[in-house]
Amino acid sequence: GAVVSQHPSWVICKSGTSVKIECRSLDFQATTMFWYRQFPKQSLMLMATSNEGSKATYEQGVEKDKFLINHASLTLSTLTVTSAHPEDSSFYICSAPNRTSGVTGGELFFGEGSRLTVL
Amino acid sequence: GNSVTQMEGPVTLSEEAFLTINCTYTATGYPSLFWYVQYPGEGLQLLLKATKADDKGSNKGFEATYRKETTSFHLEKGSVQVSDSAVYFCALSGNTGGFKTIFGAGTRLFVKA
Repeated sequence: GAVVSQHPSWVICKSGTSVKIECRSLDFQATTMFWYRQFPKQSLMLMATSNEGSKATYEQGVEKDKFLINHASLTLSTLTVTSAHPEDSSFYICSAPNRTSGVTGGELFFGEGSRLTVL
Repeated sequence: GNSVTQMEGPVTLSEEAFLTINCTYTATGYPSLFWYVQYPGEGLQLLLKATKADDKGSNKGFEATYRKETTSFHLEKGSVQVSDSAVYFCALSGNTGGFKTIFGAGTRLFVKA
């Protein structure tokens, strides 16, 4: 079946540096991808919707300049955490919709997640 | 706006016990409802779904029925196994805004042998 892959699966960086996380749909095209953030023992918080060929749509309270999203192609979306700080340490998860379920609604395929630790 | 509320965990059961994890939702229109599962060290994966009222989703012995009158989608399994230990997320995807999905807080299940 369809697979969504993230890279890297974990990364440690110094405070003030930027980190890029890639999300790829491996055997299908994804014009839309979603980026979530998951805190320890908590639910997934939707950060933004990544749209191929246009700007990402950010959820309320998510800093656009902090979390840069680029949907470079129909199979790749990237999330860049700029000038990372310890409070940005988290588990970031991307997902893409299974469009065979219909035009609206439908389940998501998830990446394995990327754990970011900012020192 | 749309929201999902599910029972807090953790839930600890003995093997072969009956499982219920409650989930209620608030949404406009007619959302699709899902249960996702996250096994230790793995990403989320779809467990089951229902796309309209009175639909029953089922998979791996788990079931959930879309109850519009009570705005609920409770997850049940008649006999849990140790391998069912995981975090379970109830979620909804509205019929507007494309595939945007809202998740409940997650319920951690521990099954003891």
